[in-house]
Amino acid sequence: GQNIDQPTEMTATEGAIVQINCTYQTSGFNGLFWYQQHAGEAPTFLSYNVLDGLEEKGRFSSFLSRSKGYSYLLLKELQMKDSASYLCAVRDTGGFKTIFGAGTRLFVKA
Amino acid sequence: EAGVTQSPTHLIKTRGQQATLRCSPISGHTSVYWYQQALGLGLQFLLWYDEGEERNRGNFPPRFSGRQFPNYSSELNVNALELEDSALYLCASSQHNEQFFGPGTRLTVL
Repeated sequence: GQNIDQPTEMTATEGAIVQINCTYQTSGFNGLFWYQQHAGEAPTFLSYNVLDGLEEKGRFSSFLSRSKGYSYLLLKELQMKDSASYLCAVRDTGGFKTIFGAGTRLFVKA
Repeated sequence: EAGVTQSPTHLIKTRGQQATLRCSPISGHTSVYWYQQALGLGLQFLLWYDEGEERNRGNFPPRFSGRQFPNYSSELNVNALELEDSALYLCASSQHNEQFFGPGTRLTVL
């Protein structure tokens, strides 16, 4: 079956580093995405991994291990505005269906 | 560049009625995706349209249907509305990998 797991909630302190993990089991794999969604708003794209390794983009980095069905999103120098839900999503091969995880709600405290 | 637009912003219907939701993709994007996001839950893939054709659909009953027009805008129709259809319906468009989301239509079924 298709399954994406990520923690429900995480709390971190302003200025710190936080790692949000995502494990997936899908019938096919054609890329993993991370999106940020603030409450009441639409998701916005953060990163895309299709090959193993680390992709860095400013304060945000995303890692992928296809053999382990595992990814993480790393947020550095946390800011209060980073408080949001972070969605892990996997695109399937046949039909390009994208499966989303339930999201991880990140709370950044002062 | 204008983003993905959706209408209406809010829609209130009663059980058994039919709802029509509309989406205009970013100019140049030929793919449109529809997702359902119920309160507290992750995004559930509904439908994917590309070049006017339905390419894939999620695990939703046939009363969820839609179409894509020659200008790539799309419509989602939900027939015989049920209370549990109350959710935020998000539309996204893409050209390659990244999906750009619209602000969503909040459907409430009473």
